[in-house]
Amino acid sequence: DIQMTQSPSSLSASLGDRVTITCRASQSISSYLNWYQQKPGKAPKLLIYAASRLQSGVPSRFSGSGSETDFALTITSLQPEDFAIYYCQQSYTTPTWTFGQGTKVEVK
Amino acid sequence: QVQLVESGGGLVKPGGSLRLSCAASGFIFSDYYMNWIRQAPGKGLEWISSISTSGDTIYYADSVRGRFTISRDNAKNSLFLQINSLRAEDTAVYYCARRQWELPTIYYFDYWGQGTLVTVSS
Repeated sequence: DIQMTQSPSSLSASLGDRVTITCRASQSISSYLNWYQQKPGKAPKLLIYAASRLQSGVPSRFSGSGSETDFALTITSLQPEDFAIYYCQQSYTTPTWTFGQGTKVEVK
Repeated sequence: QVQLVESGGGLVKPGGSLRLSCAASGFIFSDYYMNWIRQAPGKGLEWISSISTSGDTIYYADSVRGRFTISRDNAKNSLFLQINSLRAEDTAVYYCARRQWELPTIYYFDYWGQGTLVTVSS
């Protein structure tokens, strides 16, 4: 099974900060990596798919990068609505899937 | 607009059963693979099952294989999850999600329901 490991597990940041979350796969997954944002009591929301493609309607301050085993989600200029938990997900083995454990972005 | 609405959750005793439903609207349901994902309280997301467009190909996570059964009724635009032999560790919010795809082999979950809570407790 492919394991997905995110780091850090949580981080504190201020409005306007640049934030980077990383996700590492236990084996190469090419660019089959998606990112989701989840706010309390809500369903996850797709942000980035295929490692770097921005989902329609998602602000351009979100970007994704990486390939093979190492990936990153970057938020430039953190906004109040960006405080949430972020999950990576590998789609290399679809129709089975694996999520990372999540990264909580909190207010400093 | 695309909508996925789960129902059927509730409080059940260990060893009990539940049938979760996901009502789909706003898209051609029979064109899409569908999935169940769960989230235990305060924990991360766990994919648990996928079903093909016709329902003839099914996948389960090891943690639920043998106790959970996914199915669909394309005529009624509905997805189901039969959960048997419930355990305390099955306590979670259960989400249904649509699998979107782009050529050649790009896949992701583009729509999720709001979730239904299953609580297993005596």
